[in-house]
Parts: sequence; structure tokens; C-alpha cells
Amino acid sequence: NAGVTQTPKFQVLKTGQSMTLQCAQDMNHEYMSWYRQDPGMGLRLIHYSVGAGITDQGEVPNGYNVSRSTTEDFPLRLLSAAPSQTSVYFCASSYSRGVETQYFGPGTRLLVL
Amino acid sequence: TQLLEQSPQFLSIQEGENLTVYCNSSSVFSSLQWYRQEPGEGPVLLVTVVTGGEVKKLKRLTFQFGDARKDSSLHITAAQPGDTGLYLCAGGRSGGSNYKLTFGKGTLLTVNP
Repeated sequence: NAGVTQTPKFQVLKTGQSMTLQCAQDMNHEYMSWYRQDPGMGLRLIHYSVGAGITDQGEVPNGYNVSRSTTEDFPLRLLSAAPSQTSVYFCASSYSRGVETQYFGPGTRLLVL
Repeated sequence: TQLLEQSPQFLSIQEGENLTVYCNSSSVFSSLQWYRQEPGEGPVLLVTVVTGGEVKKLKRLTFQFGDARKDSSLHITAAQPGDTGLYLCAGGRSGGSNYKLTFGKGTLLTVNP
């Protein structure tokens, strides 16, 4: 089992550029989520999905889009990057939404200039 | 509004010392999780507590959930350099299918040899 994988590990963007952060899990987990981690702010939920075809907004969804076409994949799209989106992004998955172990990926470090 | 306050924010100690970190809230949680995050990696679950007053031990780590399920503590006995990392607490609250997990900002622990 690879667990939760994320690509790329690092990315530098210019303001206004778009990109997709990839996330995949091989544990057949129904629940997947995206967080951003900023100094002094902790982990904040961006978007989540309770299963293929179902997504919903978290605490800080503005500027991000998601889709869930398969159980395994949950990409995060930045349509027009802004410096405020400079952060470390973590994808996580769990068997279900509830009191479950969340398995986190290694993170993507994004710098928007 | 920060629902979960962690203290201290930073802690630097010598190998062999004991320490306690705290996770406090004015809200009641149905569960409380503790994660440890090492530099450049995603958080890894250490423990989940769900019952008020519950105490769980994981080798030299002791976790306690407050009687009112509003706070939690993590005590480390005889800290070792391998304990260095960011310790995050996460409180879970249920509302039908709308389970929400909220993270604290973390305690950054450094154990010096």
C-alpha cells in the first residue's frame, strides 16, 4: 500500500497561473479532504468528499475547485493563483467521515509569486 | 474563531525531561485526536479519545480527555529526541452526517540531546 500520495512535492507559480494538485489513495477510503497549513494558523479544511461524485466546501474554499470522479483520486485545482494561496497543502483520507483515522499525504509546498 | 487552543505554542526541553501540552476549548467535542507531524511530512495519528475522563497510554505518552469533553492533555515522560515534532489536537463534532473535525494550531516540541 502506498497510502496517500501527492504530486508535485514543490511548485512555484506566478500570480494568475492555474494548476492542479494531485492526490491519490489506494486504501479504498470513501472520505477524502484537502487542508492547507499556514504558520500560526494550523490545518484548515478547504474541500472534502464523502464519496465519488460528492464534494462539499470546508472552512476556506474560495479560490479552489475539486472533483471526485473515482474513489481513488481527489485533485485540487487553483484556477487563478494568488500570493495568499502560498501554503503547504495536505490531502487526507479515511474510511468514512466520523471518528476515524485520517491518513495524510506528504504535502505539496506551493509558492505563488 | 479558534475553537481549539493549544499551549504552549513552542516547547524546548532536554532529553529525559517530562512535559505536558494542552488542548482547550469552550466547545464540547464527541472525540479528540492527537497527531504528530515531523518536518516535511504529513500528520500521523497518535490516539483517539471519545469518552469524558478517558486516559490512554502509548509507551511514554499519556493522553487524557477532560471529563466535560472540552479539553485534553498529552503528557510525555522522559522525552527523547525522537519525540521532536509538531503535536496537533483535533476535535470532532457530529451533527447527523455533518461530522466536523477542527484542528488546533499545534505545539512545536524540540527535545535536545
